[in-house]
Amino acid sequence: AQTVTQSQPEMSVQEAETVTLSCTYDTSESDYYLFWYKQPPSRQMILVIRQEAYKQQNATENRFSVNFQKAAKSFSLKISDSQLGDAAMYFCAYRSARAAGNKLTFGGGTRVLVKP
Amino acid sequence: DGGITQSPKYLFRKEGQNVTLSCEQNLNHDAMYWYRQDPGQGLRLIYYSQIVNDFQKGDIAEGYSVSREKKESFPLTVTSAQKNPTAFYLCASSHNRDRGYGEQFFGPGTRLTVL
Repeated sequence: AQTVTQSQPEMSVQEAETVTLSCTYDTSESDYYLFWYKQPPSRQMILVIRQEAYKQQNATENRFSVNFQKAAKSFSLKISDSQLGDAAMYFCAYRSARAAGNKLTFGGGTRVLVKP
Repeated sequence: DGGITQSPKYLFRKEGQNVTLSCEQNLNHDAMYWYRQDPGQGLRLIYYSQIVNDFQKGDIAEGYSVSREKKESFPLTVTSAQKNPTAFYLCASSHNRDRGYGEQFFGPGTRLTVL
């Protein structure tokens, strides 16, 4: 079974600066998808960014970008120019491209604190 | 507006009672999911359904039941057999895997507290 590990329970960043969240995963598959979700205090899960394993180019969405290292099974999220609204829990998630269903396996989350 | 709704937002239950959490989506998604989130933890899959009248157990299905009679609806029943039901419950939906990334979209959640 796949596992997703987020080794940083909490990260703190100064407003306007950059923070990087780590995520590693364990899989024997070559075809899969990776996601970062944000959960603000409202607890609504919001998709931040997604990456397909067969795409070598790292995904970017405005101030959010990823560093996808397939061989190392690493999928870190970089938040640039951090804003107060970025304060939230961030979850990394894995989905097999071949297994039955569209099941997501989540990491334990990283809490991001943004200091004004 | 398209989206996923969950009701109620807060739910209180006495021990020994069954309760049903509602989840409705108007995104025309085939697949729907139920997750449980405990404080400070990630999400764990309870049940999922890829098509009407069919569903499969997730990682922590014991003490829960679901039905999928309509494409738009996927209610979750927390039964008295669930030993520790106090948690935050999230419903999600997605296209099936033949539609690209198949990312899941989430509802606002239901906070269940057992008194």
